[in-house]
Amino acid sequence: DVKVTQSSRYLVKRTGEKVFLECVQDMDHENMFWYRQDPGLGLRLIYFSYDVKMKEKGDIPEGYSVSREKKERFSLILESASTNQTSMYLCASTFQGGSYNEQFFGPGTRLTVL
Amino acid sequence: DQQVKQNSPSLSVQEGRISILNCDYTNSMFDYFLWYKKYPAEGPTFLISISSIKDKNEDGRFTVFLNKSAKHLSLHIVPSQPGDSAVYFCAASGYSGGGADGLTFGKGTHLIIQP
Repeated sequence: DVKVTQSSRYLVKRTGEKVFLECVQDMDHENMFWYRQDPGLGLRLIYFSYDVKMKEKGDIPEGYSVSREKKERFSLILESASTNQTSMYLCASTFQGGSYNEQFFGPGTRLTVL
Repeated sequence: DQQVKQNSPSLSVQEGRISILNCDYTNSMFDYFLWYKKYPAEGPTFLISISSIKDKNEDGRFTVFLNKSAKHLSLHIVPSQPGDSAVYFCAASGYSGGGADGLTFGKGTHLIIQP
């Protein structure tokens, strides 16, 4: 069974703080993704990575950065948190070279920025 | 510009009846489509998918239909059960060979199954 875990289920931070969201998968997946989910907007892709130390911008990368130092771990960084980054953050992973694109999601981190 | 559209934010269906969730897309480069189900405070879970070379895929109570000419797909759930109450996301990909790209999601449809 694929397992994608996220470091925190709930997080409360203050405006201007640096925030780290961690994601770990245990299935040796090459590809990892960060999305945010907001009411009425669905899931939007922030960044993804297809290999260690590789990263690609998604649809809404502004205000975020990522780090992939190890294959199983993909971190999302908010350099200076702002209130409009209050959201549900979802990490996902999948194989590269597979026959289909099913992504496996973690449980999500509900981030509130005050 | 929204490339994957779910025009019904919510849908209420009686238990035992058929639920039909609709999804439209605009990007003709999409060649793989997926449906995810999401409960509150949980991550989305994969439900069913369909490749653009097919027009139907069935898995138990769930069937996805794809009409490429209309750029439309639908998810049918028969019979609907209380545990089906969730938000359903339609997603699309333009690269079916490796999953290197992220998925493009619709905004979701909240399905409510009434007893």
